[in-house]
Amino acid sequence: EADIYQTPRYLVIGTGKKITLECSQTMGHDKMYWYQQDPGMELHLIHYSYGVNSTEKGDLSSESTVSRIRTEHFPLTLESARPSHTSQYLCASRGTAYEQYFGPGTRLTVT
Amino acid sequence: GNSVTQMEGPVTLSEEAFLTINCTYTATGYPSLFWYVQYPGEGLQLLLKATKADDKGSNKGFEATYRKETTSFHLEKGSVQVSDSAVYFCALSDRDSWGKLQFGAGTQVVVTP
Repeated sequence: EADIYQTPRYLVIGTGKKITLECSQTMGHDKMYWYQQDPGMELHLIHYSYGVNSTEKGDLSSESTVSRIRTEHFPLTLESARPSHTSQYLCASRGTAYEQYFGPGTRLTVT
Repeated sequence: GNSVTQMEGPVTLSEEAFLTINCTYTATGYPSLFWYVQYPGEGLQLLLKATKADDKGSNKGFEATYRKETTSFHLEKGSVQVSDSAVYFCALSDRDSWGKLQFGAGTQVVVTP
């Protein structure tokens, strides 16, 4: 069972604030991912990383940015939050058989 | 490109009923296939996986068989419980170096007592 953590679990902030969503994993996985999940349940890949100092944008355009300075840590930042950013954000890391392990998610509400 | 199609929900069942959620895929090469489950307010949990044709993944009474000839990976459980109420996602990875997952739209399952 993989251990992957996300904080905060819930966040309500005002428009224009800068926020960072934290994601950490303890398995030493190189590949990590951020997904945005809309209320209709569909998942969209917004960022991924295949190792330290490597990040790529995903299939869905996002105004967020990510960094990967340490293998275990993959934070996502929104410089200026807007109501359109309200969503659930899920972080994942990839195991050896191409499976991904997910964190519990951060539910973000921007007012 | 890759795609995953799964049956629309919600699927409503009585406790102890048989559950089937259909999943078909389109992919180049030989993808790995997965079923994930998401309980309310939580992230996705890997339910089972299969990495090659005719493999059967199983976990917690759920099963799915990788059928290359029909490009399918249907999820089944013989006797559902109320605690199985969740959203189920079918997914594939084409095993390239990026290992990105392609998800289906999700199927909500509601089990009533």
